[in-house]
Amino acid sequence: AQSVTQPDIHITVSEGASLELRCNYSYGATPYLFWYVQSPGQGLQLLLKYFSGDTLVQGIKGFEAEFKRSQSSFNLRKPSVHWSDAAEYFCAVGDQSSGSARQLTFGSGTQLTVLP
Amino acid sequence: ETGVTQTPRHLVMGMTNKKSLKCEQHLGHNAMYWYKQSAKKPLELMFVYNFKEQTENNSVPSRFSPECPNSSHLFLHLHTLQPEDSALYLCASSLGTTVYNSPLHFGNGTRLTVT
Repeated sequence: AQSVTQPDIHITVSEGASLELRCNYSYGATPYLFWYVQSPGQGLQLLLKYFSGDTLVQGIKGFEAEFKRSQSSFNLRKPSVHWSDAAEYFCAVGDQSSGSARQLTFGSGTQLTVLP
Repeated sequence: ETGVTQTPRHLVMGMTNKKSLKCEQHLGHNAMYWYKQSAKKPLELMFVYNFKEQTENNSVPSRFSPECPNSSHLFLHLHTLQPEDSALYLCASSLGTTVYNSPLHFGNGTRLTVT
């Protein structure tokens, strides 16, 4: 069965600093990979996704993520964090063999705090 | 505006009450979902509907009863809940049920507290 691990429960960075949120997955084949963001009191919003092709994917709000098959990782990055980026971030892996949304597995999330 | 509207935003109910959560999507999607989000736990998929037909029940207790009268509306009927059912309940929709071409769009959730 597929699984997702987000090792960092909480990360604090200063505004303007760079950011990297870690995501490791366990899956037998090439997965579908996603990053979602959840602002306080809101639902989840899709930041970016990887299905195939270029392993560096660009998303909304200046985020990017890199798929590294050898490390089973899909880390999220942003070169310069803004105060509005404070939120909870979720990595998710999907089953490429079926493509079914019901096979989407989410990590437990990383809470990002941004200091002024 | 997310395109997926959930009401109410907050709900407090006793264990003997009966209440319903409502979800409406304005995106023309065909699939709708209920997820449960508990503190510090991964999102748990509860139910999936595609073209009004239930295609997935993820071993959810019968005290949760979904209803999907059409592709735009989804309800979650609640009765005799337990305190451990307190959580954020998220509704989502997608054009189809294959994640590679129809990503999930989430509502803002209903924060449920069972007393």
